[in-house]
Formats: sequence, structure tokens, C-alpha cells
Amino acid sequence: GAGVSQSPSNKVTEKGKDVELRCDPISGHTALYWYRQSLGQGLEFLIYFQGNSAPDKSGLPSDRFSAERTGGSVSTLTIQRTQQEDSAVYLCASSPGQRPNYGYTFGSGTRLTVV
Amino acid sequence: KQEVTQIPAALSVPEGENLVLNCSFTDSAIYNLQWFRQDPGKGLTSLLLIQSSQREQTSGRLNASLDKSSGRSTLYIAASQPGDSATYLCAVHNAGNMLTFGGGTRLMVKP
Repeated sequence: GAGVSQSPSNKVTEKGKDVELRCDPISGHTALYWYRQSLGQGLEFLIYFQGNSAPDKSGLPSDRFSAERTGGSVSTLTIQRTQQEDSAVYLCASSPGQRPNYGYTFGSGTRLTVV
Repeated sequence: KQEVTQIPAALSVPEGENLVLNCSFTDSAIYNLQWFRQDPGKGLTSLLLIQSSQREQTSGRLNASLDKSSGRSTLYIAASQPGDSATYLCAVHNAGNMLTFGGGTRLMVKP
């Protein structure tokens, strides 16, 4: 597609339930990032995928969070046993490649509310 | 660890004013710096990307400068309009795999 697509745009879930957030990067982009933006806070790095390399998971806040990227394209961020502090906007970005000279294109985000 | 700071945190100006948003970073070993705009409840829209070898980039009424040695970037907005009201974020890409974001400047342009 023309841009980075995220779904759903909004998700309300009960505390303790699992949720899956999806990101469709720009076609051909090999780098994919997940960020989290809590209310009134800055953007917090979660995880980075580059091609077939092992992902950089250094930003994941707990073992309840996991992400995968199938076929080097679509990525899914899974949050297990959701807590109220997981409520935030989850943003996905993609970039053409590993060279650092390319900018990043962000999706519109998924607003997660845990009640 | 790279730290990015944006000043001011919030700014309110009358329509038509020229304004400057500031971004500073602690580690000058960067690959590039990118300015984004975020409207309430929306994702990030890229405004300008400056490579580490460049001093400035321009797009329309926007001009971004980069002084890598001093760890500073500025975003200049000429002849501000109410439609410019948004949060402006700068992000630095340095060694490693992530963008480090500043806390943003929330801009309000009053008609």
C-alpha cells in the first residue's frame, strides 16, 4: 500500500485479556519498528525488525509483550494478560532498509484502552 | 544513552508569526535527524529529514537546521497559520536500531 497500515485503529479490552495489534508496512520496506505512546508521554521504543535478522527486543517492557514479523512483511504485536498501564497508542513505522540514511514512515496507530 | 530534549514544551502564538522550535541531543554521533508533526489522536507525519552531513533542509514554510557538533537542531516555521497547530517531535537516529524522540513541542497558532 501507499503507507503504513495499522489495525485495529481502536481497541477496548478487559484487564487480563490478550490483544493482537497488526502492522502492514510499506511494500518493500525491510525495517519495521513498534513504539508506544502513553497519554502525555513521549514515544517509547518497543521492538525493531530488520529483514531476516533477529529482532531487537530491548524495549519490550515485560514478558507479556511479544512481536513477530511473518515473511518479512506484516508484523503482529501481542500483549498477554493486559493491564491498565498497557493503555496507550501503539505506533508502527517502517523504513526502506538498514542504511541509516532513510527516514521513517509511521502508521496512524492503534489506541488501546484496557478497562 | 542518547537523550533528546525539546524546548519549549508548549507554545502559543498569533497567526502570522515566525517561530523557532528547538531540539537538543546528547550524543552527536547521529546518522540523521527527523522532524515529525502529530495531530491529536493521529499518527506521526514526517516533515523534514536531515542527514548527518547536511546543515539544513527546507520544505515550503518549514526550515530545519542541524548543528551536529553542538547537538542542536531547530525547526523554523514562517508565517504561522492556525493549521500549523499540532505537536512537533524531533527524533534522532544514531548507532543502534532505534529512533530516540524528544518530548515534543505543543504548538497553538491563534487566528
